[in-house]
Amino acid sequence: KQEVTQIPAALSVPEGENLVLNCSFTDSAIYNLQWFRQDPGKGLTSLLLIQSSQREQTSGRLNASLDKSSGRSTLYIAASQPGDSATYLCAVFSGGAGSYQLTFGKGTKLSVIP
Amino acid sequence: EPEVTQTPSHQVTQMGQEVILRCVPISNHLYFYWYRQILGQKVEFLVSFYNNEISEKSEIFDDQFSVERPDGSNFTLKIRSTKLEDSAMYFCASSEIRVPLAGGGEQFFGPGTRLTVL
Repeated sequence: KQEVTQIPAALSVPEGENLVLNCSFTDSAIYNLQWFRQDPGKGLTSLLLIQSSQREQTSGRLNASLDKSSGRSTLYIAASQPGDSATYLCAVFSGGAGSYQLTFGKGTKLSVIP
Repeated sequence: EPEVTQTPSHQVTQMGQEVILRCVPISNHLYFYWYRQILGQKVEFLVSFYNNEISEKSEIFDDQFSVERPDGSNFTLKIRSTKLEDSAMYFCASSEIRVPLAGGGEQFFGPGTRLTVL
């Protein structure tokens, strides 16, 4: 059964700092990995999708890397801003016929202090 | 930009009552999903739906749950007899494809329906 772990559970940084969020998964046979942002009481906003054949994806100040063989992904946020404060979720799509599903980690709660 | 919408945003119900949560997926998407998030816990997969039938379902998705695409735009989740432990945020999602063998497969989520069972 796929398990996704995110470290740290919470992170507080001063504005302008670069930071890294970590995600690990137990079964490396994944199809893709998505990073989401969740604001309190809100839905999930997709930030980046990395296919299993890719090593990284970039969108603006965000860069996500994937090391499928070691079961790890990182989300790098450059020049953090107070508006980046949210919970960041990592999710992997895996499984086989009849069992495909997106499995989530518990998230990293990021606070960017002005 | 196309988005997934969900109604209602908040539903309060009494234990034992039936509830129907509604979703309008992105119009050209073919795969639809329901997830739930109990307060303070992980987002959990419930069910995926394609071509008017369930593709996958988790252990959570028992006989109390059902899904339907009643028309060309809506996708619903019904809970037949709600329990206190059904209180959660329920998210609908959709994707163009499911198994991203040719790339893609990104899932787009709605804003959620907060279900409170009293």
